[in-house]
Amino acid sequence: EVKLVESGGGLVQPGGSLRLSCEASGFTFSSFWMHWIRQVPGKGLVWVSRINNDGSGTSYAAAVRGRFTISRDNAKNTLYLQLNDLRAEDTALYYCTRGMAESGTDYWGQGTLVTVSS
Amino acid sequence: ENVLTQSPGTLSLSPGERASLSCRASQSVSNNYLTWYQQKPGQAPRLLIFGASTRATGIPDRFSGSGSGTDFTLTISRLEPEDFAVYHCHQHGSSPWTFGQGTKVEVK
Repeated sequence: EVKLVESGGGLVQPGGSLRLSCEASGFTFSSFWMHWIRQVPGKGLVWVSRINNDGSGTSYAAAVRGRFTISRDNAKNTLYLQLNDLRAEDTALYYCTRGMAESGTDYWGQGTLVTVSS
Repeated sequence: ENVLTQSPGTLSLSPGERASLSCRASQSVSNNYLTWYQQKPGQAPRLLIFGASTRATGIPDRFSGSGSGTDFTLTISRLEPEDFAVYHCHQHGSSPWTFGQGTKVEVK
């Protein structure tokens, strides 16, 4: 069974940092691209970042480029998102998702909530 | 970026009725890379339809997708109680990936 479990969210002040993690199981993690997608509760979904299967290629949404860094450790089956210089508008539920060529993504974790507030 | 506009925002229907949800793109969706997700309160999105019309594994055949280019439709032929949820369309044919704002299907 494919499982994605996010952690690392919390309350942080504007300008602060957080590191999100996503532990994957039930599939060959190193074979798949991975993505982070966020959602303000009750609102729409917004793609944040993606990383290719070996970590050599990354891409970011314009709103987070230069502040967020995606990475992965295939030996630990874990995806990361480093969030720096956080702003109020970064407040959201952050989902880790598995990439799939045909659908964009298929499996999603349950999300980890990031709240940026003073 | 390719902006996706979903309509209506809310659809009020009764169990057994037919639901038709629209997703319009501001630019043609490359390779028909248009996906539909279902999201229930407190849950992550669940993959329903990809490639505009292909049902994902385990999705009942009352769900169907159609369309191409800029106009896409998700149809639920007969609403079951578990189908009342929010539905999101998503394009991954061009960067950045984008999502519609969602259509809520609620019990009338």
